Amino acid sequence: QQQVKQSPQSLIVQKGGISIINCAYENTAFDYFPWYQQFPGKGPALLIAIRPDVSEKKEGRFTISFNKSAKQFSLHIMDSQPGDSATYFCAARITDSWGKFQFGAGTQVVVTP
Amino acid sequence: NAGVTQTPKFQVLKTGQSMTLQCAQDMNHNSMYWYRQDPGMGLRLIYYSASEGTTDKGEVPNGYNVSRLNKREFSLRLESAAPSQTSVYFCASSDLSETQYFGPGTRLLVL
Repeated sequence: QQQVKQSPQSLIVQKGGISIINCAYENTAFDYFPWYQQFPGKGPALLIAIRPDVSEKKEGRFTISFNKSAKQFSLHIMDSQPGDSATYFCAARITDSWGKFQFGAGTQVVVTP
Repeated sequence: NAGVTQTPKFQVLKTGQSMTLQCAQDMNHNSMYWYRQDPGMGLRLIYYSASEGTTDKGEVPNGYNVSRLNKREFSLRLESAAPSQTSVYFCASSDLSETQYFGPGTRLLVL
């Protein structure tokens, strides 16, 4: 069963627009929440990550918002560019698990020119 | 510094055949992982190895075996392939900094 639920499944946004991807988790102790970016034919690569004691983290055009009480976190891509077209995965690390992660199902983002 | 490498890149098997997917990392990481990626399912952990000499089951281990040959290498074996094992397989490694570094993937088709 998927303990990290990600939405939407796909997203089309115009160049310059904002892409928002949401993830929610259930009932399991997680202590680290990364987002991965994957281009076609490639492996996922870490984009940005947050710990649960922080409510927001920003790196360039990418921002994670974290709501611990609601067990939700989201990725915002500001000023979206065609080069951002990729699949994005949220993930959550199980506490005391030697690095075991639960991944969301992924969101395919297409940025139109 | 090649990071995480996987071989082969693509493989076609017939039902019942066996094969081993190879993975190696040159980042001196202790932990290594095998995932499968299926449409709409994200990445699901098959097996992982927290350190050399140890392995443990992940979310979907049935039909697979692994070997942590040394600190660099972690192989995944399908003893008797089934069509349900058609997928893209990713190997990853990590250190205590938490970031997982993924290989380029192996695309497996089981007929």
